[in-house]
Amino acid sequence: LAKTTQPISMDSYEGQEVNITCSHNNIATNDYITWYQQFPSQGPRFIIQGYKTKVTNEVASLFIPADRKSSTLSLPRVSLSDTAVYYCLVGDRNYQLIWGAGTKLIIKP
Amino acid sequence: DAGVTQSPTHLIKTRGQQVTLRCSPISGHKSVSWYQQVLGQGPQFIFQYYEKEERGRGNFPDRFSARQFPNYSSELNVNALLLGDSALYLCASSLDLGSVEDNEQFFGPGTRLTVL
Repeated sequence: LAKTTQPISMDSYEGQEVNITCSHNNIATNDYITWYQQFPSQGPRFIIQGYKTKVTNEVASLFIPADRKSSTLSLPRVSLSDTAVYYCLVGDRNYQLIWGAGTKLIIKP
Repeated sequence: DAGVTQSPTHLIKTRGQQVTLRCSPISGHKSVSWYQQVLGQGPQFIFQYYEKEERGRGNFPDRFSARQFPNYSSELNVNALLLGDSALYLCASSLDLGSVEDNEQFFGPGTRLTVL
């Protein structure tokens, strides 16, 4: 099962674009990449999921290079409420998602 | 629409005791997964159940067991509690119909277990 590596923490400011990169060097052919957001004392919440190239939804974009050994979550124009822990997951067909340590994102005014 | 619900919200036990945690998935979801989240760490996969059958098991001792009922609700049981079992236990449900798009997991608020 693939493992992921993310920065432990990041700081940014309101209105900026934030990019969080995740490494998953051992990703398998059938694995997909999913990002979750978690606020303190709450369960994680799905942000975005992708397999290759670029995926965009109303809250984020996910960039995956051709070799799929990394991925970048892009949060446009962040606000204070985006302060949270962000998890990058790599899942195979057994659905045993491997959760990394997450990236603690702090948004400053 | 009701989301994933878990009970109880908080629980205090002593070492050696047994505990049962409960989870009700979103209506229509047939898959339930359980995770343990120790403070400051990411969730660790414990079990996944689909249509009342165990589909996956994480690296947890046999003290941990679970089951899924015909209404797709689930229980997680932990026997012979250790101090290290203190954590937030999360339940997640998904449609899990086989396509990647159906794999999105919806998490409950968790049960905070403290073992003294």
